[in-house]
Amino acid sequence: NAGVTQTPKFQVLKTGQSMTLQCAQDMNHNSMYWYRQDPGMGLRLIYYSASEGTTDKGEVPNGYNVSRLNKREFSLRLESAAPSQTSVYFCASSEARDVFYGYTFGSGTRLTVV
Amino acid sequence: DAKTTQPNSMESNEEEPVHLPCNHSTISGTDYIHWYRQLPSQGPEYVIHGLTSNVNNRMASLAIAEDRKSSTLILHRATLRDAAVYYCIRRNYGGSQGNLIFGKGTKLSVKP
Repeated sequence: NAGVTQTPKFQVLKTGQSMTLQCAQDMNHNSMYWYRQDPGMGLRLIYYSASEGTTDKGEVPNGYNVSRLNKREFSLRLESAAPSQTSVYFCASSEARDVFYGYTFGSGTRLTVV
Repeated sequence: DAKTTQPNSMESNEEEPVHLPCNHSTISGTDYIHWYRQLPSQGPEYVIHGLTSNVNNRMASLAIAEDRKSSTLILHRATLRDAAVYYCIRRNYGGSQGNLIFGKGTKLSVKP
C-alpha cells in the first residue's frame, strides 16, 4: 500500500549543483504532478504530466525540468540549484486530471540549497 | 489565484463539531469544490468534493450553499489528529484550470 513514493526525503545542495528528485506511484494513475511548498505558503504547481508521454508547465516552472519516464515514474530535475529553490517538494498522482478524481500526494522531499 | 477565501486560523475543542467556511463568490457553474488537508510534515490528503448537493463521506461532510457562493466543511467530532491546514479549492473541467491550485488554507488547532 505504498501510494506515491518520493526519494530522497532530505537533501542539501550547494548553489550550482544539480540533482533529480524521483517520484513513483503504484496506483496505475495516468496523471502526475510536482509541487513546491515554501514556509507558511500553499503548494504551487511546477510541472504536470496529464498522461504518459506528455508534460506541461505549471505556475512556477523556471529552473526545473521534468521527465515522465513511464506510467509509474515522474522525475523533477534541478540543473543548477539556487537558494530560491529551497523548499519542500511534493509529488502527486491522480487517475486523470478530471475534476472527479482526487490527488494522492507523497510525503515530500525537503531540499535546502546553500 | 486560488479564487477562494478562507480564515487564516480556527480553534476547536476535542470531540466537538468543527465548521470550516470557504467563500467562492465568483464560482462558475462547472466549478467543483474540493477540500484537502495537510497534517504537519506530510503531503496534502484528499478530504471531500462536491458540485451542488451536500456530500458525506467517512472523513467529513460538505455543505454547499444554494447559490454556491460559499461552502462549509464539517468535521462532526474533532480529534487531535484533525489538527491540520485545510484547503478549499475550486476545480473546473479540463485545461489548466483542471489542476489543483492551493491557497494558504485554514490552520485548524484542536485543544484537548
